[in-house]
Amino acid sequence: AQSVSQHNHHVILSEAASLELGCNYSYGGTVNLFWYVQYPGQHLQLLLKYFSGDPLVKGIKGFEAEFIKSKFSFNLRKPSVQWSDTAEYFCAVNGGNQGGKLIFGQGTELSVKP
Amino acid sequence: AAGVIQSPRHLIKEKRETATLKCYPIPRHDTVYWYQQGPGQDPQFLISFYEKMQSDKGSIPDRFSAQQFSDYHSELNMSSLELGDSALYFCASIQGYSSYNEQFFGPGTRLTVL
Repeated sequence: AQSVSQHNHHVILSEAASLELGCNYSYGGTVNLFWYVQYPGQHLQLLLKYFSGDPLVKGIKGFEAEFIKSKFSFNLRKPSVQWSDTAEYFCAVNGGNQGGKLIFGQGTELSVKP
Repeated sequence: AAGVIQSPRHLIKEKRETATLKCYPIPRHDTVYWYQQGPGQDPQFLISFYEKMQSDKGSIPDRFSAQQFSDYHSELNMSSLELGDSALYFCASIQGYSSYNEQFFGPGTRLTVL
C-alpha cells in the first residue's frame, strides 16, 4: 500500500538550531516528492519538490531536502531555524502517472523557541 | 495573486444533516482535488475533477458526492452527517491534470458535527 511516514510528531527547537525532519515513503513505481508547510491559521504551501535529477533540492526560506532512493527517504533540513518557522510540516508523494493526488504523512509540528 | 477560495470557512451541523462545501480554484485552473483531515490525522484524498469530469476517487464515503461546474468551481455534498465527519476539508487546484504541477491549497472548511 502507498504510504508516507513522518518520524517526528512534535519537534521543539531553539532559534539557530539545525533542523532535520524525517520522511519515508512506500510507493511502487515513479514517485514525486513534496514538502508542504502550514503556518498557524494558514493554508498549505509548497516548500519544495523533487521529480528527478539532483537528489538534493532547495526550496524556499532556506529549506532543502535530500532524496535517497535506496532508503525511500526524503528528509527536510534547515541549517538554522527561526521563530517564524514555527508551523506544521507535511511530507507528501504522488505517482508519476497517477494524476496528482497526494498521499500525505502525518505531519510534524515544529515549535521554535525565541 | 488570486488564491483558492473555500466557503464557508466554518460550519456546524447536527448529526444526520447535510452540508455543502464549495471550492473556487485559481483562475484558469481546471483541476480540483478534495482532501479531508481529521483531528490529529494526515490529510486524506477524497476525490478529484478535471475539466468537469471525475478524474480520481479516494476514500470518499458513499454519503458524499461532488461535482465540478462549468466555471470549474467544485462542491462537496455531504449527507447523513456523522460525528466522524468532523474534520478540516480543503481543496487544491492545478492547471492541467498532472502529477508534476504544484497543487495550490485553499484555507479549508472546518466542519463540526454535533
